[in-house]
Amino acid sequence: KQEVTQIPAALSVPEGENLVLNCSFTDSAIYNLQWFRQDPGKGLTSLLLIQSSQREQTSGRLNASLDKSSGRSTLYIAASQPGDSATYLCATGTASKLTFGTGTRLQVTL
Amino acid sequence: NAGVTQTPKFRVLKTGQSMTLLCAQDMNHEYMYWYRQDPGMGLRLIHYSVGEGTTAKGEVPDGYNVSRLKKQNFLLGLESAAPSQTSVYFCASSPLAGTYEQYFGPGTRLTVT
Repeated sequence: KQEVTQIPAALSVPEGENLVLNCSFTDSAIYNLQWFRQDPGKGLTSLLLIQSSQREQTSGRLNASLDKSSGRSTLYIAASQPGDSATYLCATGTASKLTFGTGTRLQVTL
Repeated sequence: NAGVTQTPKFRVLKTGQSMTLLCAQDMNHEYMYWYRQDPGMGLRLIHYSVGEGTTAKGEVPDGYNVSRLKKQNFLLGLESAAPSQTSVYFCASSPLAGTYEQYFGPGTRLTVT
């Protein structure tokens, strides 16, 4: 059974700092890995998706990497802003089933 | 293009009552999913569907039923609500091929008293 872990559970950084969020998974037989953002009381917004054959994906200030052999993915956020404050979730699995981590709650302070 | 929509947004039920949550998507996606999100537990898959007329059990299916009579709609039913079903319910959809990227609705907050 796939298990997904995200560490740390919460993180507070000053504005402008670069930061890395970590995601680890136990079963490397995955189809893809998705990173989501969730604002309080809201739904999930897809940020980046890395297919199993890829090593990384970039969108603006966000860069996600995938190392299947070690069961790890990282989400790098450059030059963080207060608007980046949210919970970040990673999820991975087969084409039809995703297993989610419990998320990292990020606070970017002025 | 509304994406994935969910009805209702909020609901309070008494133990033993029944209700149906409606999910609709306008992206012509084959796959649809129902998840529940509880504090400290992450999102867990309740049921999913790989096409019109098909359904399958996820990780936590007990106490729920689903139907996919039309491709664009996926219904989640609670026949006899229990306090343990207090949660936030999310619907998602994804295409049949390609990246299988999942797109989520805004959620339904359900409280069972």
